[in-house]
Amino acid sequence: DSGVTQTPKHLITATGQRVTLRCSPRSGDLSVYWYQQSLDQGLQFLIQYYNGEERAKGNILERFSAQQFPDLHSELNLSSLELGDSALYFCASSGTGVGETQYFGPGTRLLVL
Amino acid sequence: ILNVEQSPQSLHVQEGDSTNFTCSFPSSNFYALHWYRWETAKSPEALFVMTLNGDEKKKGRISATLNTKEGYSYLYIKGSQPEDSATYLCALSGYSSASKIIFGSGTRLSIRP
Repeated sequence: DSGVTQTPKHLITATGQRVTLRCSPRSGDLSVYWYQQSLDQGLQFLIQYYNGEERAKGNILERFSAQQFPDLHSELNLSSLELGDSALYFCASSGTGVGETQYFGPGTRLLVL
Repeated sequence: ILNVEQSPQSLHVQEGDSTNFTCSFPSSNFYALHWYRWETAKSPEALFVMTLNGDEKKKGRISATLNTKEGYSYLYIKGSQPEDSATYLCALSGYSSASKIIFGSGTRLSIRP
């Protein structure tokens, strides 16, 4: 158990809909990262937050957004969903130092029908 | 821009055999190199973090080396066991806590009993 929690574990929805994925980092970690893993693809970095502020952005679509709240939990919002958004979405957290290990949550599996 | 390549893409090894695979990078302009193990239906789990040229890390039967001058890191597994079957990810992180972490596409290792 990494100490990072993600909800829900599974999500099935329809095209055009909007969903919110939630992540709680390890106790004491200020950085939260979101990744997408599509079928047969590697981990694609989406976005990083540090203590409530966006720190780095990867290949995140404009239809996707994220935020980190004062209690440090983070939410990833996916809107106008398309079939191709079906994927496993991971959240990871790390401490404040440079080059720190990231600890991954169990992931949320999203299926868009 | 950091770029990470891993080879081979997949590997099948007989139980008991030793094996190794490579993470290569064209530039040493990064702070840390990370190795993660990613078992099927689980989330990535950190194995090692290395920062200096010549670094060697070991955990049980698994070890890793870093050569920043020639642009590669090796991961070695001695006496492979079925539980070593997983995808092994290499990742590079930059010099600030705002730097993205860039993951390679991984080496998928299968151990034949």
